[in-house]
Amino acid sequence: EPEVTQTPSHQVTQMGQEVILRCVPISNHLYFYWYRQILGQKVEFLVSFYNNEISEKSEIFDDQFSVERPDGSNFTLKIRSTKLEDSAMYFCASSENGAAGTEAFFGQGTRLTVV
Amino acid sequence: SQQGEEDPQALSIQEGENATMNCSYKTSINNLQWYRQNSGRGLVHLILIRSNEREKHSGRLRVTLDTSKKSSSLLITASRAADTASYFCATVAFYGNNRLAFGKGNQVVVIP
Repeated sequence: EPEVTQTPSHQVTQMGQEVILRCVPISNHLYFYWYRQILGQKVEFLVSFYNNEISEKSEIFDDQFSVERPDGSNFTLKIRSTKLEDSAMYFCASSENGAAGTEAFFGQGTRLTVV
Repeated sequence: SQQGEEDPQALSIQEGENATMNCSYKTSINNLQWYRQNSGRGLVHLILIRSNEREKHSGRLRVTLDTSKKSSSLLITASRAADTASYFCATVAFYGNNRLAFGKGNQVVVIP
């Protein structure tokens, strides 16, 4: 069964360092998303991506964040200068259509720990 | 802003019993989705119900949607130990965006 894969599963980084979280969405999906979940809190929307551009972003997704689809399969989230409060589980998701139309499929997540 | 909000519950039930959890939201929605998350793992999509639907079934799952009360319920029948997880509702707004707005989640423990 097709699935969204994320790497790495766990990333530890020093405050101020750049991190890149990687995702391979399901191959025929057109919409891609990043969400995050701080420990014990809700899953929060970060950004959606369609047709090689950001279609929507939340207030969390500031200038420190960027997304890219460098080739036909990968979808990355970059945090330029990590802060302690960026520590969270980051989930990538993809959907065949926009979330309004169909369900989103989530990856297993990358646990980011900023020290 | 519009978002799913589960009634804060931690359910502990015996295997074979039914588990019911509720979700309320604040604004007009296009659809509402339920997800399951096993401890430390990813989110697994369970069921999507559109704003013009009132009830939907998928296996042992039954979801209802009451748009007049802005609420939804998820019923798991004949629960199994493997159903132990956190369950989240998430809404998609009626207008414009495609983001999922998640609630806080319900922890369900099924005792064998």
